[in-house]
Amino acid sequence: GQQVMQIPQYQHVQEGEDFTTYCNSSTTLSNIQWYKQRPGGHPVFLIQLVKSGEVKKQKRLTFQFGEAKKNSSLHITATQTTDVGTYFCAGSGGGADGLTFGKGTHLIIQP
Amino acid sequence: DAGVIQSPRHEVTEMGQEVTLRCKPISGHNSLFWYRQTMMRGLELLIYFNNNVPIDDSGMPEDRFSAKMPNASFSTLKIQPSEPRDSAVYFCASTAGGPRTEAFFGQGTRLTVV
Repeated sequence: GQQVMQIPQYQHVQEGEDFTTYCNSSTTLSNIQWYKQRPGGHPVFLIQLVKSGEVKKQKRLTFQFGEAKKNSSLHITATQTTDVGTYFCAGSGGGADGLTFGKGTHLIIQP
Repeated sequence: DAGVIQSPRHEVTEMGQEVTLRCKPISGHNSLFWYRQTMMRGLELLIYFNNNVPIDDSGMPEDRFSAKMPNASFSTLKIQPSEPRDSAVYFCASTAGGPRTEAFFGQGTRLTVV
């Protein structure tokens, strides 16, 4: 079945440093979504990418979808303590396929 | 809208007992998803429904797990009999247009089987 790999599993950064998490799929995706989960909370939708090579920005967050639609990245510029949490990518192969989530990257920020 | 509502928020049960988790999706959403989250396995899709019909149940671990959606506003996930390895947080999510639209998650049910 479809597999979505996400790295790194954990990332410690100093406040103000940048952060990037990477997502790779074993198969071509029809779309990829990104979610954020705060400690003790539930996943909250951030964005969806559907086009090959697509780049979207939300303030300090930049999302990219690879040309082959098999990989994606989330980059946060100048991290803040409010960015703490786990960031998940989730992809669908299309048709009736449900979303397959990566295992997430836990972002830990040291003030 | 109150969002996706799950109950109970916490459940502690003894091994061998039946457990029923409940979910009320957002009104008007036509797809509903059940996920299980553990540290080891992350977020796993168990099953999803479209217009109350199960579309993909390949993630359901085994026959001890069953899910129903009798109408557009209610779904249940049942585990019978429960085992300690079923301990996890179970999330329900709904979308307005299948797996390729924004998913809204409930607060989750933390299940502990002792």
